[in-house]
Amino acid sequence: QVQLQESGPGLVKPSETLSLTCTVSGGPIDSFYWNLIRQPPGRGLEWIGYIYHSGASNYNPSLKSRVTMSVERSSKQFSLKLTSVTAADTAVYYCAGGGRYGIFDIWGHGTLVIVSS
Amino acid sequence: DIVMTQSPDSVAVSLGERATIKCRSSQSVLRTSDNNNFLAWYQQKPGQPPKLLISWASTRESGVPDRFIGSGSGTDFTLTISSLQAEDVALYYCQQYFSSLSWTFGQGTKVEIK
Repeated sequence: QVQLQESGPGLVKPSETLSLTCTVSGGPIDSFYWNLIRQPPGRGLEWIGYIYHSGASNYNPSLKSRVTMSVERSSKQFSLKLTSVTAADTAVYYCAGGGRYGIFDIWGHGTLVIVSS
Repeated sequence: DIVMTQSPDSVAVSLGERATIKCRSSQSVLRTSDNNNFLAWYQQKPGQPPKLLISWASTRESGVPDRFIGSGSGTDFTLTISSLQAEDVALYYCQQYFSSLSWTFGQGTKVEIK
């Protein structure tokens, strides 16, 4: 059974870059589209973007100018970089996997990232 | 973006009774070529990630109890919990995956016990 684990700093300063890594276990990284989804405290879900093992990617237009996702097949990891963060980027960040249609059937537990000085 | 709007924001239902959640999309998520609706439902319990319940508007995931029923087409969808159980208390989200530009979620509906 494929599992996902998020890792990264829990606190990021305003204007800096948020970096987060997701590790895939229990299955191949080649089989799914890998997504980042976030949820501000007490609020709803926002899809950030996906990356495929080939490196093909697609980002939410509202975040596109600040987002870069990458994949490292050998270590079975994919990553998010979100630049110029503000308090509005404070959220639980989830790694999620699914097929090419954007159905998210695998989720990590999530990691809370707080943007604060 | 396709905007997803759920109603109500919260609903309280007695155990064993029916709970109904509506989801409306700002444009159709039906692919007419094969009559597939690009609509999913998720359940999120406190402190947990969302869990996929239903995809293609009405196809339950393996292991999801048959009291969860998805219906609708085009722009109007419904998630029905036919007989509410205590373990169904959660937030429920609809999500469209029709637009390849951006996949979007509804704001969520909280289901509670009356």
